[in-house]
Order: sequence, then C-alpha cells, then structure tokens
Amino acid sequence: DAMVIQNPRYQVTQFGKPVTLSCSQTLNHNVMYWYQQKSSQAPKLLFHYYDKDFNNEADTPDNFQSRRPNTSFCFLDIRSPGLGDTAMYLCATSRDLGGRVNEQFFGPGTRLTVL
Amino acid sequence: QQPVQSPQAVILREGEDAVINCSSSKALYSVHWYRQKHGEAPVFLMILLKGGEQKGHEKISASFNEKKQQSSLYLTASQLSYSGTYFCGTEIGSNFGNEKLTFGTGTRLTIIP
Repeated sequence: DAMVIQNPRYQVTQFGKPVTLSCSQTLNHNVMYWYQQKSSQAPKLLFHYYDKDFNNEADTPDNFQSRRPNTSFCFLDIRSPGLGDTAMYLCATSRDLGGRVNEQFFGPGTRLTVL
Repeated sequence: QQPVQSPQAVILREGEDAVINCSSSKALYSVHWYRQKHGEAPVFLMILLKGGEQKGHEKISASFNEKKQQSSLYLTASQLSYSGTYFCGTEIGSNFGNEKLTFGTGTRLTIIP
C-alpha cells in the first residue's frame, strides 16, 4: 500500500543533543510538509517543499533544518533541541494542484521528548 | 493568524447531530477539514473551494461561505467512530503558489453510547 512512513516513532534525546527525524513516501507526491504538534494544539507548519524548492515559515526557529535529497525522502534536523521542542512531529505529502493546496496524507508521526 | 473554531469541545450521545464552525480573519481560497483521533495522525475529510459549495461524505458534510470567511462541518446521526479532534485548515486566497494550510484551534468531539 502506498503510504507515508516516519522513523523513529518515538525519540528521546537530551537537551542540546542533535536529532534527525526521517520521512519517506511511496505516493510519489511532489509536495512534502513538516508540522510540529504540541499537546492539545493544532499542527503548526515548520516548512514545506515543492519538489526541491524549500519554503521556510517565518517563525520556524533556526534550530530546525530540513533536507530533501530526493522525491521519496525528507529529513528534519533539530540541531540543539530545547525542552520546548518536545512535541509530535508530523510529515505529510500531497500532489501538486496547480499552485493550490491539495489533500494531505500524514505519516504516523514521531513523538520527540527532550529531557 | 490562526482560524478560530467553535465549540472548543462537545459531548454527544450516539445518533445526535453536531455542527463545528471555523472562522478566519483573512479572505480564503479553500477550507480543508481533518479529523485526528488521539495518538494518531490527522485524516483528510474534505476540501471546499470558494464558491459557496457544500460537500458531503456519508453523514458528514460541510459548507463554505467565502464572504463571511467561515466554514461549518455538519455531522449527522453521529457514530462512536466520529470521536476525535476536528481541525479546519485554511488556504489564504492571495497565497497562490505557496501551497500551505493554517490549521484552526480544533474542536474535540466525544461521542458516548
């Protein structure tokens, strides 16, 4: 089945220790998104890719970086995690709709805990 | 600015109806609705494009009033499986080519037997 996969599902890291989260997709979608979702809050967009074009949200901390080496894979790097970065990180993909937002398919998420 | 949803939470008995509202301060091109069960990823329900259309998906339907920048989600004869948090996602009208949503504040729906 075509799907969006995230690894790891759970990650515990220490304050300041870099961490990388991965997302892969078999849907062949050209748009990929990274969201941060804190407890009882809505998903908040960190950045997204349209093919290889990177779009960073203005309020995404510099601490958060991303790479998309090919259509199928996308990575979220948190260079120096703080306690406030504890959250669920969601990856989503969609097929381009001619410049407009299409249905998004979400992965199961990575629950990150910073101690 | 984040769209505001109302109510924040609602508890219904199985078989009852519910309406969830989403209101934006900006002119919208589209509204998307998602449902998220506890500990799971959001799941797409439907997209509404400007033009005042109404869409349906079994017993779940929605409307979009672009003049008021509002959308409503209607759940008819609710089932236990409808429990979860509902999010609207709004796409700004002037944002062509930017392909992103801003999710609303969320509405937690609990269906009890």
